Amino acid sequence: DVKVTQSSRYLVKRTGEKVFLECVQDMDHENMFWYRQDPGLGLRLIYFSYDVKMKEKGDIPEGYSVSREKKERFSLILESASTNQTSMYLCASSPLTGNYGYTFGSGTRLTVV
Amino acid sequence: GESVGLHLPTLSVQEGDNSIINCAYSNSASDYFIWYKQESGKGPQFIIDIRSNMDKRQGQRVTVLLNKTVKHLSLQIAATQPGDSAVYFCAENMGSSASKIIFGSGTRLSIRP
Repeated sequence: DVKVTQSSRYLVKRTGEKVFLECVQDMDHENMFWYRQDPGLGLRLIYFSYDVKMKEKGDIPEGYSVSREKKERFSLILESASTNQTSMYLCASSPLTGNYGYTFGSGTRLTVV
Repeated sequence: GESVGLHLPTLSVQEGDNSIINCAYSNSASDYFIWYKQESGKGPQFIIDIRSNMDKRQGQRVTVLLNKTVKHLSLQIAATQPGDSAVYFCAENMGSSASKIIFGSGTRLSIRP
């Protein structure tokens, strides 16, 4: 069963901590995405990557960075966590071209205290 | 501007009835549309898609209708079951670039016994 796996379902971190959210996909997809999901705001794109070591800013990249050292793994980094980064974080992947939907992970609910 | 929206934020239906979830889009260049289902605590799950050269597509108990004239998309669920309770998102892709998928804010479907 193909899937996108996010390493943690729930995380609680302190303000100022550096936080790593990991995502791995086993579908050999070129594209990978990080979204955050907040009530009333829907899904907002943070960063995406279409190849190893390549990254593009999404709509809300401030306070975040990403790393894609291997095709199957896309990491989201919160350099210095803040309370306004408390959210559900969703990773997704898709093939490089063509009309395909995304495959999402189960999400990581991050709480920053 | 570009937007994907939903006519109703919540929908309550009787178990066994049919459900219809609506979505409006504003970009006439969009050529691919997707419906996702998100259950509580889980990531969005692909339900069905449709390309702009089609008006209707059927899956198992689900049908998507596309009306390009009025830029309207709908998801019909036949014989709604308790397991259909979720938030449903429509999404549009404005081209072959996967980075151009835009998600709507979602409709919550609840089932009355």
